[in-house]
Amino acid sequence: DTAVSQTPKYLVTQMGNDKSIKCEQNLGHDTMYWYKQDSKKFLKIMFSYNNKELIINETVPNRFSPKSPDKAHLNLHINSLELGDSAVYFCASSQDRRQFPLHFGNGTRLTVT
Amino acid sequence: TQLLEQSPQFLSIQEGENLTVYCNSSSVFSSLQWYRQEPGEGPVLLVTVVTGGEVKKLKRLTFQFGDARKDSSLHITAAQPGDTGLYLCAGGDAGNNRKLIWGLGTSLAVNP
Repeated sequence: DTAVSQTPKYLVTQMGNDKSIKCEQNLGHDTMYWYKQDSKKFLKIMFSYNNKELIINETVPNRFSPKSPDKAHLNLHINSLELGDSAVYFCASSQDRRQFPLHFGNGTRLTVT
Repeated sequence: TQLLEQSPQFLSIQEGENLTVYCNSSSVFSSLQWYRQEPGEGPVLLVTVVTGGEVKKLKRLTFQFGDARKDSSLHITAAQPGDTGLYLCAGGDAGNNRKLIWGLGTSLAVNP
C-alpha cells in the first residue's frame, strides 16, 4: 500500500561502479522527481518527469541518467560512481508539474567507498 | 537566486514547551509548504498555505503565511517527543510554478 516506493533502501558500492535506483508510485500522479539530500539535509531537485517527458533537468553530471518507462515509474542510473555521490536520494511524485504537494519515498542511502 | 532561510537550525527542548520555527525570504512565493522528515524516512507534507496572512491549524501546530507572502512560521504548542524531526519549508516560485525553493531545515528534538 506504499504510495511511493523506491529500492534499494541502502546501496554501498565502490568508486567507478554503475548502479541503479528504482521508484514506483501508485497514486496515479502525472509527475515524478528525483531529489538528492546531502549530509546537511539540504534537498536539491535533480530531475522531473511529467507523463514520461523530462521537464526539469538541473545541473547534474551526465553520469546521472533518469528513465521513465511509464508515468508510474522513474528510475535513476548512475555511471562511474564518485565519492561525492554519497547521499540520500529521494523519489517523489505530485499530481501535476507544480510540485504541489509532493509525496516522497523513504529514500535510498547511497554510500560510495 | 531565491533563498529560504530557516531558523533556528537546531532546537532541543523539553516536553511541554512551546516553540516557533521561522522560514524567511526576500522573495515572494505563490505558496509555502511545510514538511516533517523523520530519520530514515522521506519528508511528509504537513500543510500548504497559499494566501497572504493565512493561518492554518493542525492540532497543536499553527502555521502562518506572512501578509506579503515572503515568510512563514510554524508554532508548536506543548511539544511532545513525537514532534521530533526535521522541519522543512518549501516555497513555490511565483514566477515559475514548476519551481520549488527549499529551506535548509530546522532539526527539532523534544526530550521527555
